[in-house]
Amino acid sequence: AQSVAQPEDQVNVAEGNPLTVKCTYSVSGNPYLFWYVQYPNRGLQFLLKYITGDNLVKGSYGFEAEFNKSQTSFHLKKPSALVSDSALYFCAVRDGAGNNRKLIWGLGTSLAVNP
Amino acid sequence: SAVISQKPSRDICQRGTSLTIQCQVDSQVTMMFWYRQQPGQSLTLIATANQGSEATYESGFVIDKFPISRPNLTFSTLTVSNMSPEDSSIYLCSTLGGGAWETQYFGPGTRLLVL
Repeated sequence: AQSVAQPEDQVNVAEGNPLTVKCTYSVSGNPYLFWYVQYPNRGLQFLLKYITGDNLVKGSYGFEAEFNKSQTSFHLKKPSALVSDSALYFCAVRDGAGNNRKLIWGLGTSLAVNP
Repeated sequence: SAVISQKPSRDICQRGTSLTIQCQVDSQVTMMFWYRQQPGQSLTLIATANQGSEATYESGFVIDKFPISRPNLTFSTLTVSNMSPEDSSIYLCSTLGGGAWETQYFGPGTRLLVL
């Protein structure tokens, strides 16, 4: 069965420090992996995705993520956090081998960047 | 990326009534999804709507309660029928296709409060 785990409910970092939001997954085939961000009282915004190719993926707002097949992880990173990065972050996955386009969602990680 | 709008953005309804939520996309998309989200929590998929076919509902969701229309490639509606306070939630429309390969994009959501 497909699944996504975001092991941390909340991550706190100081502004200017690097941030990492963790995501691990389980799929039977090749994973298609996604990160979304949700600001308060807003819809979800797409940040980045890994489908194939380079394991390091760069996305919006200076975020990047590294696909690690051996560790089945897709952690979201940013070298220098901003207070405006404070939001709810969701990791999602689907099995690229199938025709089912449904995404499996993590429970979300609340990121708080302190000034 | 697709630009998605939803109407209404929020509503307060009485129990026993029904509300129809509209989702409009600025480009033709293959698949549309309807999600439900409690504030600060993860997403729950209600159904997948493809143009020209019946919507496919997830476990726990039925057509009588959540009828969906998909009359063309840019529009869909979700009706929440015979509402109860337990239906209070954020309802999100999402799309797949329209040139954004394998990436779902989201509308801003409809906040529903049932009294």
